[in-house]
Amino acid sequence: SQTIHQWPATLVQPVGSPLSLECTVEGTSNPNLYWYRQAAGRGLQLLFYSVGIGQISSEVPQNLSASRPQDRQFILSSKKLLLSDSGFYLCAWGQVLGNTIYFGEGSWLTVV
Amino acid sequence: RKEVEQDPGPFNVPEGATVAFNCTYSNSASQSFFWYRQDCRKEPKLLMSVYSSGNEDGRFTAQLNRASQYISLLIRDSKLSDSATYLCVVMSKAAGNKLTFGGGTRVLVKP
Repeated sequence: SQTIHQWPATLVQPVGSPLSLECTVEGTSNPNLYWYRQAAGRGLQLLFYSVGIGQISSEVPQNLSASRPQDRQFILSSKKLLLSDSGFYLCAWGQVLGNTIYFGEGSWLTVV
Repeated sequence: RKEVEQDPGPFNVPEGATVAFNCTYSNSASQSFFWYRQDCRKEPKLLMSVYSSGNEDGRFTAQLNRASQYISLLIRDSKLSDSATYLCVVMSKAAGNKLTFGGGTRVLVKP
């Protein structure tokens, strides 16, 4: 069966520091991969998605970036965090674009 | 107008009662619909897909009304464990096959 894991689960970072969140999927090949953010009391916002290695689509302009160095690995990064980057970050995978997706456990980021 | 709108609630439901809530979507070309459940501080999990003819999964019934552009979720015989936020999700090919999430409806089942 397929599994998805992301880490770290929780982190507190100072403003201006870098960020790296990592996500891996097991049990499937060539998945579509997604990064979402959920701010407090708000809905899920799609940040990036990828349909293949090295293929990244950005949904919103921001100081975040994503990379897919391997088929089942998706990384969310920032060079300098802002206070507004705080939130719940979720990695997800799906087999067919536009069909159901499955989320990792999420990463809670607090920028102080 | 938001693409996908939900009443944020909370819906306070006595244990054993029935609760129903809707989700409206603005894009008439939307093609796929889903309900996800999200527990506090946890990741969303797929509850059920919503089919044109409506579908049922145990105590949960989902329906789609294309004419009025809404989907609904009904929970019968509510359990304490049904307390969660229910997210409506809509996919439109016109939006690049991407999923759009509603803000969620919070349900609190009380003894």
